[in-house]
Amino acid sequence: SYDLSQPPSVSVSPGHNAGITCSGNQLGDKYTYWYQQRPGQSPVLVIYHDSKRPSGIPDRFSASKSGDTTTLTITGTQTMDEADYYCQAWDSGSVIFGGGTKLTLL
Amino acid sequence: EVLLEESGGGLVKPGGSLTLSCSGSGFSFRSYAMTWVRQAPGKGLQWVSSINSRSTNTFYADSVRGRFTVSRDNANNSLFLQLDSLRVEDTAVYFCARDGDYGDFDHWGLGTLVTVS
Repeated sequence: SYDLSQPPSVSVSPGHNAGITCSGNQLGDKYTYWYQQRPGQSPVLVIYHDSKRPSGIPDRFSASKSGDTTTLTITGTQTMDEADYYCQAWDSGSVIFGGGTKLTLL
Repeated sequence: EVLLEESGGGLVKPGGSLTLSCSGSGFSFRSYAMTWVRQAPGKGLQWVSSINSRSTNTFYADSVRGRFTVSRDNANNSLFLQLDSLRVEDTAVYFCARDGDYGDFDHWGLGTLVTVS
């Protein structure tokens, strides 16, 4: 089965930049998506089609891809950005989510 | 405003059945594929099932295929998930989500908790 690998946790000081990686076999050939899930809330789409932001998502959220790794970058992190982040891709008609990364603000 | 609201969760014994519902409003429900995603307590997101806009195609994760059935009623803006032969490991919050235009899930409900014990 296809797997997407994310680090379990990332820590960052407020105002600094945070990067969360997501890796998978031949991920470079697939579109990737990112979701934010704050504690006790539903997931929210923050990036689609590798690097596009839905309306209403702050421009401090961005994503890029290099080879089979995609990276979600949050520029100038704020307290409200503390959340779990999940990457997602499609493989053989199935939806695959990464295991999630807990972003903690120090 | 797009709204999705799940219902039907509860406590059920192993081997039992349950039907989840998701009501959509604020958009043309019949125009969108819909998806169920679950999240076990303290765990990550897991795709469960999807259905296209006209119910002509359904898709299931291997872990639920043959036990769960997805359906929809476009006349009543409703999505359903029939859960049969439930197992302890099916315990999770079940979210319904709208399939966006780009392979994403652009709107999610608040979820409904299914506990198998």
